[in-house]
Amino acid sequence: EAGVAQSPRYKIIEKRQSVAFWCNPISGHATLYWYQQILGQGPKLLIQFQNNGVVDDSQLPKDRFSAERLKGVDSTLKIQPAKLEDSAVYLCASSLAGEETQYFGPGTRLLVL
Amino acid sequence: AQSVTQLDSHVSVSEGTPVLLRCNYSSSYSPSLFWYVQHPNKGLQLLLKYTSAATLVKGINGFEAEFKKSETSFHLTKPSAHMSDAAEYFCVVTESSSNDYKLSFGAGTTVTVRA
Repeated sequence: EAGVAQSPRYKIIEKRQSVAFWCNPISGHATLYWYQQILGQGPKLLIQFQNNGVVDDSQLPKDRFSAERLKGVDSTLKIQPAKLEDSAVYLCASSLAGEETQYFGPGTRLLVL
Repeated sequence: AQSVTQLDSHVSVSEGTPVLLRCNYSSSYSPSLFWYVQHPNKGLQLLLKYTSAATLVKGINGFEAEFKKSETSFHLTKPSAHMSDAAEYFCVVTESSSNDYKLSFGAGTTVTVRA
């Protein structure tokens, strides 16, 4: 079974630029999550989707971050404009609907200069 | 509200010796607890999970954890460390009060294994 796929794996940008990350969940997983993991900390949830609807985006900085999952499968997370403090690993995870076990992708490591 | 405290930010062990990673949790409801491992530049991999069945949970790669409700703990152990166990370990709690499962991660414990 293929795992959660993410791209790119690494990205370096300058502050005020924009960046987008892509995630393809495990086939059949209705729930998709985006996490931000700052160096030295545990991951923190940014947004949770159930199919193509948003379940929870309370921790998403909506002035600069946006996410979508238009067809209920792939998802993109965008940052515009980026700030230095956005440097982190962005993790995507997926799970079956109603299941608590989440499966994580390899992450995208973002460095904002 | 749920939360997790990992009591050690860094643990160093010699190869072949036991590993103990300590975790305490706080939860208003019946918690589910997980340990995930993250190797350098890799994603998070599920080691094991507790979901109100047996209190001693066996996971992959020889790891196990014991749920102790009276101590609100979920410590992770392995009898004999291997060099490949060097990684970051996260204790995670989620509350099963609804079908909306939100994970709360600890800050992580970095394990180094000495030859």
